[in-house]
Amino acid sequence: RKEVEQDPGPFNVPEGATVAFNCTYSNSASQSFFWYRQDCRKEPKLLMSVYSSGNEDGRFTAQLNRASQYISLLIRDSKLSDSATYLCVAHSGGYQKVTFGTGTKLQVIP
Amino acid sequence: SQTIHQWPATLVQPVGSPLSLECTVEGTSNPNLYWYRQAAGRGLQLLFYSIGIDQISSEVPQNLSASRPQDRQFILSSKKLLLSDSGFYLCAWSPGETQYFGPGTRLLVL
Repeated sequence: RKEVEQDPGPFNVPEGATVAFNCTYSNSASQSFFWYRQDCRKEPKLLMSVYSSGNEDGRFTAQLNRASQYISLLIRDSKLSDSATYLCVAHSGGYQKVTFGTGTKLQVIP
Repeated sequence: SQTIHQWPATLVQPVGSPLSLECTVEGTSNPNLYWYRQAAGRGLQLLFYSIGIDQISSEVPQNLSASRPQDRQFILSSKKLLLSDSGFYLCAWSPGETQYFGPGTRLLVL
C-alpha cells in the first residue's frame, strides 16, 4: 500500500463547478500535511497547508481527518486556470520524512 | 525573498555518459536541500537530502550521487547514465516542513 494515495483522475468539471479531492495516508505518525499544485511540465508549487481545524484560502478549503487518515481539498467556483495536477503531501517528522502522492489531475472545461 | 535556480533546463544525453545538474538557492542560509526525480506519470521520488555542507543522505541506492560543496549549492551527478535515469529532476529547499521547488531539469537519456 502506498503511503499517500490519491485518485489520479482526471476530474473533468465545467467552469463554476465545485470539485473535491481526497487523499489518504497510511502513516499514523504523519504530522503535517500540504497540498501542492503542479502545472504540466512545471515544478510543484505550494497551494496550502492543511490544519486540523481546517483552513480556507479564497475558493480553496483544505481539511484533515486524523481519525480516518485522510485530507481533502475543495475548490469552489472552478476556473479554467485551476486546471492542473494537485499533489497531496504528508510529513512525518525528520528532514526526509516527506511523502508526495502521485497527484490528481483536474481539467476545468469551458 | 528566496529563489532557487536549476540548470540546465533540459538535457539530452546518451547512455553511459556522465551527468551534472546544479541547484543553487539565494536569499537564505543553511537551507535543507533535496533532489527529487519525477518519472513520466509518476510521483516524486526523493533521491538525496542535505542538512549542511558535505552532509548528504541517500534515500534510494542507484547510480546517482549528490554533493554540496557550498552552503547554497547542491549538485546531482552520475558517472554513467542509464535509460531509466530519464525524468524530471527537481531540487527543493526547505526552512522546515514546507518545500519549495526549483524549475527542474528535464533529462532524456537515449
